[in-house]
Amino acid sequence: GAVVSQHPSWVICKSGTSVKIECRSLDFQATTMFWYRQFPKQSLMLMATSNEGSKATYEQGVEKDKFLINHASLTLSTLTVTSAHPEDSSFYICSARLAVNTEAFFGQGTRLTVV
Amino acid sequence: KQEVTQIPAALSVPEGENLVLNCSFTDSAIYNLQWFRQDPGKGLTSLLLIQSSQREQTSGRLNASLDKSSGRSTLYIAASQPGDSATYLCAVIDSWGKLQFGAGTQVVVTP
Repeated sequence: GAVVSQHPSWVICKSGTSVKIECRSLDFQATTMFWYRQFPKQSLMLMATSNEGSKATYEQGVEKDKFLINHASLTLSTLTVTSAHPEDSSFYICSARLAVNTEAFFGQGTRLTVV
Repeated sequence: KQEVTQIPAALSVPEGENLVLNCSFTDSAIYNLQWFRQDPGKGLTSLLLIQSSQREQTSGRLNASLDKSSGRSTLYIAASQPGDSATYLCAVIDSWGKLQFGAGTQVVVTP
């Protein structure tokens, strides 16, 4: 299957700082990328959908000013957690697909710990 | 509002037994359904994608069926191996391409 690379795989940051997570589709052009959040022993919750060249669409309850998403090219989307707090500590996973009727492929995830 | 349920939440079987994992959804107006595997602390690995017009998909020891009218999908894993131990997630996909996940079934295959 296609490869989606997510970086970093883990990060520890101080409360109040910002953290950027990158998601790259390595062998295909992703028209749409999704960002998910997963709490321990829970399933994935969709945070936002981003289409290349346009603003991201956020799910209800997700603060767009806290979780900045940029999808500048067909192979790269970034999620920036701004002014991170301990409650933002979680596992963040990105997903990419070529078109609506194709498989979604997932990155390896990023474990964010805010201290 | 779509709800996706996976039963059982956890399953332990001896090596060699067949695995049957269930996924149900409340709104049958789905576009596709996808099964994933997640190892602890890792991302998701796509296993099978079933389009809404299909009734099943097969890949190696894996077979997934889809019955849209009854809102159910089943993932069968034949002749389980210890390496199959993981959490298995199903996700329904709407016409916008958004995935909504079930809570997963945690599988342990004992040698």
